[in-house]
Amino acid sequence: EPEVTQTPSHQVTQMGQEVILRCVPISNHLYFYWYRQILGQKVEFLVSFYNNEISEKSEIFDDQFSVERPDGSNFTLKIRSTKLEDSAMYFCASSPGLQLINEQFFGPGTRLTVL
Amino acid sequence: SQQGEEDPQALSIQEGENATMNCSYKTSINNLQWYRQNSGRGLVHLILIRSNEREKHSGRLRVTLDTSKKSSSLLITASRAADTASYFCATAQRTGYSTLTFGKGTMLLVSP
Repeated sequence: EPEVTQTPSHQVTQMGQEVILRCVPISNHLYFYWYRQILGQKVEFLVSFYNNEISEKSEIFDDQFSVERPDGSNFTLKIRSTKLEDSAMYFCASSPGLQLINEQFFGPGTRLTVL
Repeated sequence: SQQGEEDPQALSIQEGENATMNCSYKTSINNLQWYRQNSGRGLVHLILIRSNEREKHSGRLRVTLDTSKKSSSLLITASRAADTASYFCATAQRTGYSTLTFGKGTMLLVSP
């Protein structure tokens, strides 16, 4: 069964460093998302991406964040200068599109630890 | 506004018992989805209920939706130790593409 994959599973970085989190969505899906979950808190929407551009972004997704689909398979989230408060689990999701109701399929997550 | 608030925050039951979790939301929705998350792992989609549906079943799962009260419940019947996880409701406001707004979740512990 097709699934969303994410790498790495765990990333440790120093404050101020850039990190790139990678995701491979399900191959025929059209919509891509990033969410994050700070430890013990709810899952929060960051950004959605469709047709090679951002569809929607939350207040969390400031200038330090960017997303890219560099080729036909990968979907990346870049944090330019990490802060301690960026430590969280980051989930990528994809959905088929072109349907009235689009179930979102989530990857296993990348745990980002900023020291 | 707080969308998708689950209660209880934590629930501890014995194997074989039923577990009921509730979710309330504030804005109108197109659909509501329930997800499971095992400790430190990803989100697994369980069931989706549309705003024009009142009840839906999937295996041991039963979901109800009351749009007049802006609430939903997830019932897991004959629970197993493997059901131990956090359960989240997530609402989608629009048809087609829509971001999900998650609640804080209910942590379910099923003891053998």
